[in-house]
Amino acid sequence: DGGITQSPKYLFRKEGQNVTLSCEQNLNHDAMYWYRQDPGQGLRLIYYSQIVNDFQKGDIAEGYSVSREKKESFPLTVTSAQKNPTAFYLCASSIQTGAYNSPLHFGNGTRLTVT
Amino acid sequence: AQTVTQSQPEMSVQEAETVTLSCTYDTSESDYYLFWYKQPPSRQMILVIRQEAYKQQNATENRFSVNFQKAAKSFSLKISDSQLGDAAMYFCAYRAEGYSGGGADGLTFGKGTHLIIQP
Repeated sequence: DGGITQSPKYLFRKEGQNVTLSCEQNLNHDAMYWYRQDPGQGLRLIYYSQIVNDFQKGDIAEGYSVSREKKESFPLTVTSAQKNPTAFYLCASSIQTGAYNSPLHFGNGTRLTVT
Repeated sequence: AQTVTQSQPEMSVQEAETVTLSCTYDTSESDYYLFWYKQPPSRQMILVIRQEAYKQQNATENRFSVNFQKAAKSFSLKISDSQLGDAAMYFCAYRAEGYSGGGADGLTFGKGTHLIIQP
């Protein structure tokens, strides 16, 4: 079955370390997204990519970086510059850029805890 | 920038009863799409229903229906015959048709409503 795989489900890191969250999709979707979810805050867009080798900042990109070297993969790096990295991170994809009625399909998320 | 407001942080309903979750949004666009997502305790985001702004007819999906009031910028979700499996966080989301003012792609979410089903 097609879907989005995020790994790992739980991730623990020490403060000051960079950490990379994995997101892989086999839906053949063009667009991919990273959201951050905090209690009482809903989901906030970190980065998105509409095509391979291109990506754009979302609303809260500071302290994060991404790459899109393959259509299937959109890893997110949480850098030491991110002041409050502990959160639940969701990766999503949609069928194609411009198909705005297409819903986003989400992975199961990664819970990152930084101490 | 678009904003989505869910004014009910938490709602409670008896099993088999009907409940309505409210959502309002602010946009200057005329063409856009609205979605309701469900997030159960597993934290998987599941699409419940979607509505195209150009359609006057309210969307329905089995026990789920919406009341879309474009002029009022309101998009409420009605769940009929509530079931225990409906217990979850519900998020309203907005997506513009195209880009405007350099805005980002993707969905803008409200902060969610926690729905409790009482047996």
